[in-house]
Amino acid sequence: EPEVTQTPSHQVTQMGQEVILRCVPISNHLYFYWYRQILGQKVEFLVSFYNNEISEKSEIFDDQFSVERPDGSNFTLKIRSTKLEDSAMYFCASSAWGERDQPQHFGDGTRLSIL
Amino acid sequence: GENVEQHPSTLSVQEGDSAVIKCTYSDSASNYFPWYKQELGKGPQLIIDIRSNVGEKKDQRIAVTLNKTAKHFSLHITETQPEDSAVYFCAADMTGGSQGNLIFGKGTKLSVKP
Repeated sequence: EPEVTQTPSHQVTQMGQEVILRCVPISNHLYFYWYRQILGQKVEFLVSFYNNEISEKSEIFDDQFSVERPDGSNFTLKIRSTKLEDSAMYFCASSAWGERDQPQHFGDGTRLSIL
Repeated sequence: GENVEQHPSTLSVQEGDSAVIKCTYSDSASNYFPWYKQELGKGPQLIIDIRSNVGEKKDQRIAVTLNKTAKHFSLHITETQPEDSAVYFCAADMTGGSQGNLIFGKGTKLSVKP
C-alpha cells in the first residue's frame, strides 16, 4: 500500500540553526500538509499546499517557516532559525484530489529536538 | 475557529469489551470527521471517517456515529483486542467540504487488557 515517507526520523539541531524536514507524499496525491505534535499534546495543523502554493496556514506557521515542492516528488518544511519551542514531532500528510474531502494519509513523522 | 473536544483522555477496557470515545465540535460548517489511530512511534493512521450527510458508518468492529444537531460524534470499537491499544484522535474538517485542514481532539489513550 502506498505510504507517505518522511526523513530523517530524528533531527537534533542547535537553537538558531536552520532545519529542513523532508517528505515524499503518495505519488498521485495533489494536496500536501504539515502538522506538528508537541510531546503529549494534540496534533496541530501548520500549512496546506496545493498547485505549488500555500492554500492555508495556521498562526503557528509564521515567517520562520516555509514549504517547498522542489521537484515532482519531495515536499519540504524549512524552519529558518529554530527555537526551543519548535521541538516536536512533525508530520507530513497528503491527500488525493476529489470533489469532497479525501482522507489525509500521514507519514510516521520527524522528531525535531532543538538544543 | 473550530474547536474539537474529546473524552475520555484515557480508557481502559478488558479484552472483548466495547470501547466508546466521544467528540464534540464547535463549527456547524464542519462536515467531515475522520478518526485516527496512533501507535507508539508512528504517525496517525486513518481508521474510519464519516461525512455529515450520514448518521452512522461501520467497518467490521469499528463504527462511528454523528449527531449534527448536537455537534458530536463517537467512535465505537466492539470486541476489543490487545492490538487495539493505542491513542485515538478524532478530527473535524474546519473548511466545511473542500480539501480541508484537520482540527484534532486531544486524543484518547485506549488500553485493552488481556
